[in-house]
Amino acid sequence: DAGVIQSPRHEVTEMGQEVTLRCKPISGHDYLFWYRQTMMRGLELLIYFNNNVPIDDSGMPEDRFSAKMPNASFSTLKIQPSEPRDSAVYFCASRAYNEQFFGPGTRLTVL
Amino acid sequence: DAKTTQPTSMDCAEGRAANLPCNHSTISGNEYVYWYRQIHSQGPQYIIHGLKNNETNEMASLIITEDRKSSTLILPHATLRDTAVYYCIVRVASSYNTNAGKSTFGDGTTLTVKP
Repeated sequence: DAGVIQSPRHEVTEMGQEVTLRCKPISGHDYLFWYRQTMMRGLELLIYFNNNVPIDDSGMPEDRFSAKMPNASFSTLKIQPSEPRDSAVYFCASRAYNEQFFGPGTRLTVL
Repeated sequence: DAKTTQPTSMDCAEGRAANLPCNHSTISGNEYVYWYRQIHSQGPQYIIHGLKNNETNEMASLIITEDRKSSTLILPHATLRDTAVYYCIVRVASSYNTNAGKSTFGDGTTLTVKP
């Protein structure tokens, strides 16, 4: 298995643009998580899904952020419009039972 | 999820055992202790987990106190590649219920292994 796959690995955009981050979880995993990591705030849980259903989105910072999981093999995190303070590394992770596997992350820079 | 407390940073000499403590005094009876580590710029990596018995795998050992209010992760022979941020988290195992899935990470302990 290739592990959790995220794309793009790096994204540079200008303030106000729409950004879409993508994640392919490990096959058979029923949980999917989106995290954001910055120096100031550490690793923050944004939202997580169980069997493609959003369970807890209390970590989503504001309405500019949205996440979807249309099927078991794909999820997106969208920011519209993007702002410089959204610059961070965004991690996707998936889990079946105990061991949570993280993707390599997407480094987002909003100018 | 129960809150955990870890020291901000620790040093360890290469080849020696690294003992990383974690306090989780409000842990519930059905919550497990999990350890992850994050090597610079990579995604966190699972290390080990346990409920109340001590656990050992190829990476580390986990010692949980009898009252389960604290635990220690032991890297028996630390190498320079073990330099990372180590996170201790507690949560209910996924098999219990859907809402048990939440995994939140604190600030962790930055372990620096020195030659």
